[in-house]
Order: sequence, then structure tokens, then C-alpha cells
Amino acid sequence: DIQMTQSPSSLSASVGDRVTITCRASQDISNNLAWFQQKPGKAPKSLIYAASSLQSGVPSKFSGSGSGTDFTLTISSLQPEDFATYYCQQYKSYPRTFGQGTKVEIK
Amino acid sequence: EVELVESGGGLVQPGGSLRLSCAASGFTFSTYTMTWVRQAPGKGLEWVSVISPSGDVTYYADSVKGRFTISRDNSKNTLYLQMSSLRGEDTAIYYCAKRALGANHYEDYWGQGTLVTVSS
Repeated sequence: DIQMTQSPSSLSASVGDRVTITCRASQDISNNLAWFQQKPGKAPKSLIYAASSLQSGVPSKFSGSGSGTDFTLTISSLQPEDFATYYCQQYKSYPRTFGQGTKVEIK
Repeated sequence: EVELVESGGGLVQPGGSLRLSCAASGFTFSTYTMTWVRQAPGKGLEWVSVISPSGDVTYYADSVKGRFTISRDNSKNTLYLQMSSLRGEDTAIYYCAKRALGANHYEDYWGQGTLVTVSS
């Protein structure tokens, strides 16, 4: 199975900050990576697919990059509605695997 | 508008069975691969199972293989997850999700989930 490791597990940031979350795969997954946002009590929401493609309707303050084993999700200017937990997921092979999540909290 | 509505969750005793349903609307259900993902209380996301559009290809996580069965009824636009020999570690919110079409096999829409609690 492909292991996905996110860092940090949590972070505190202020409104307006630029935030970067990293995700590392245990083997080469090319660009077969998605990012999801989950707010408390809500279903996950798709943000990014193919490592860097923005899901329709997602604001451009979200961006993704990377290929192979190392990936990043960046929020260019954090807003109150962005405080949530973010997950990466590989879809290179089965079983699909998620990172453990990064909780973005208000400083 | 894509809508996925899960149902069938509840309290079940260890060793018991439960069938979850996911009613789909707003898209041509029979065209899409569908997935179940679960989330234990306070924990992260865990992929459970996937089924092809026609239902002839399925995959399972090792943690549920042999105990859970994914299926679909394209005439009813409904996805199912039959769960048996349930254990405490199966306690979770179960989400159904629709896979995007094309070369990128990620889940683009998710339902709100249904809670399964396995406890005596």
C-alpha cells in the first residue's frame, strides 16, 4: 500500500496568512493526487485534482503543486471560511490512501 | 445538481449486519464509478470500497474484505454497502462519493454521510 504522510498535523495561522501544507507519498504516484477540505460535521469537499488542477467552483486562492512523491497545497490568503482540516489522497493504485490530515486553526 | 444521500446507518451489535444505501441524483448514475469512504469518530478518512459503473469490478480495503460487499442498482440510481460481521472498529461515518469522469480517478462529490455505531 502507498503511505501518504502530511505535515504539519496542525497549524495555527491568522487571517491573511499564506499557508502551505505538504504531503509525501511512500512511492512515485506521478500526479495522481487530490486534496480535500473538511469542516466539522461536514462531508469532505474536493479542492484539487491531478496535483495542481483546481476543482470547478473552488476559489483560486487554493493551489497545488508537485509530482512524484512530494506535493504541496497552498492557501494564498487565509480567510475565516478556510479554517478546516485538509487531506491529501493518492489515486495511483488500490487501496486508495489518505494523509492523516492537517488541521488549520485560528491563531 | 449532484446529490448523494446516504441512509441505513444506526446502532448494531458486534457480529451484526447492516446495509447502507446511497441515493444518487443530478447525474447519470450508471455512467460513474462510485466509492465508499469512512471516518471513525475524531479520526481521518479511510477508503473502503469502489465499484465500476456496470458493477462488474469491485475493490475493497483489507480491513473490510470478506465482510463488506459493495453493489449498485442502476435502475434505482442507488449504491449499497452490505456490512456483516461488524466490529467496534467499523464504527464510523460512512460517505458515498462519485468519481470524476476521465483520466483523473478522484472523488469529486460526496454525500453527507450516515453514522454506523457498533456496540453492545
